Parts: sequence; C-alpha cells; structure tokens
Amino acid sequence: GQQLNQSPQSMFIQEGEDVSMNCTSSSIFNTWLWYKQDPGEGPVLLIALYKAGELTSNGRLTAQFGITRKDSFLNISASIPSDVGIYFCAGQILNAGGTSYGKLTFGQGTILTVHP
Amino acid sequence: DVKVTQSSRYLVKRTGEKVFLECVQDMDHENMFWYRQDPGLGLRLIYFSYDVKMKEKGDIPEGYSVSREKKERFSLILESASTNQTSMYLCASREQGFHTEAFFGQGTRLTVV
Repeated sequence: GQQLNQSPQSMFIQEGEDVSMNCTSSSIFNTWLWYKQDPGEGPVLLIALYKAGELTSNGRLTAQFGITRKDSFLNISASIPSDVGIYFCAGQILNAGGTSYGKLTFGQGTILTVHP
Repeated sequence: DVKVTQSSRYLVKRTGEKVFLECVQDMDHENMFWYRQDPGLGLRLIYFSYDVKMKEKGDIPEGYSVSREKKERFSLILESASTNQTSMYLCASREQGFHTEAFFGQGTRLTVV
C-alpha cells in the first residue's frame, strides 16, 4: 500500500514550547488530514488540507499542504499539557481512473509528551 | 453529534476462537473502514466498504474478513484468532467524496491469549 513517513516518532517538550512534525510520501496526495488521538480514544480530526500550498490554522495549530503534494507539516504553538497524545497525518490519493472510496493512508504517528 | 460506536472497548479471546468486532455509525455514511493500530506502525487499513455488501481489501487483510449487510453496520471477523492479532482495532466512517473527514470509534483493544 501507500506509505507515509511521519517524523519525529516522539517528542518530549516543556509546556510553552512550539512543536513541529511532518509527513512525507513518495506519492502525490490530493488531501492531507491531521488527527489527534487522546489516550484510550479514537483519533479526532484537527485540520484538513485540500489544495497544494494551502496553509490553514485552527487555534494554536497550523498545517500546510506541500507544494509538491508529497508532504505536509503540523505546528503547535505554545504547547499546553492537554496537547499530549498521538498525532497522525493522513492522506487520500486518487485511484487509477480518478476515483476514490475515501480510503485514507496514515503515518506512523508522533507521540507528544508535554511536561508542565 | 456524529457517532461511530464500537461494541466493545476491551476483549480477551483465546487462540483459535472466532471473533466478531462490531461497528455502527449514525451518519448515513457510504464508506466504512477497519484499521488496526500498533505502536510505531500507525493505523493500517484492514478492509473497507463503500456500500452495502461491497468490500475491498486494505493493506493487511490476511486473517480477517468483513461483513456489511446494512449501511450503518460494518463487522470485522477474525476467523481463527491468533496472538499476532492482539492489537487496537479502530472503525471509521466517512461520507463519499474528497472534502470529507473520517470519524472514528473509540477503539477495541483485543488481546488474544
């Protein structure tokens, strides 16, 4: 299947620091999504990106859809303890023939720990 | 509020047992998915369904099957559970189209002993 490489695998930061994580792929994606998973829960959507070059913010979160359509990054500014969790990037690619059934490919996840 | 509900949060099964994981969504979504989540590997797609009675293999379908008899329900079946199927299983649903998000259930942590 398609591969998304997400880095870093884990981060240990102090409260108030900024965080940056990214995803790269050898394939072109036409949608990039960023999800957060709290302990014991399913992932929840943070930000959705639909156009190459798009830069979108959601509160302290900012994400960008790379110009090449093969990468995306997520920044979190001024981290707080409730930012802890696992962050996943996900991409959607068109199948041959230009169709898609909404299938998303996920990165390996970034585990974020925030020390008060 | 949109909702994807998985029937169990925790399950413990014995090797060789037939296991059913159930997922129900109340959003009338066409697409439903089963992923498994393992540390360092992210979410890997097992099977997905884009319509009632329609199914497609994902990236790791071996040892699993699925059933979608009704639009709101998507079941994952382990015909003969093995210890390497111990994992967190996540169900998701998504409306057809590109500018739509996937909604996830809370997950089922399955342990096969």
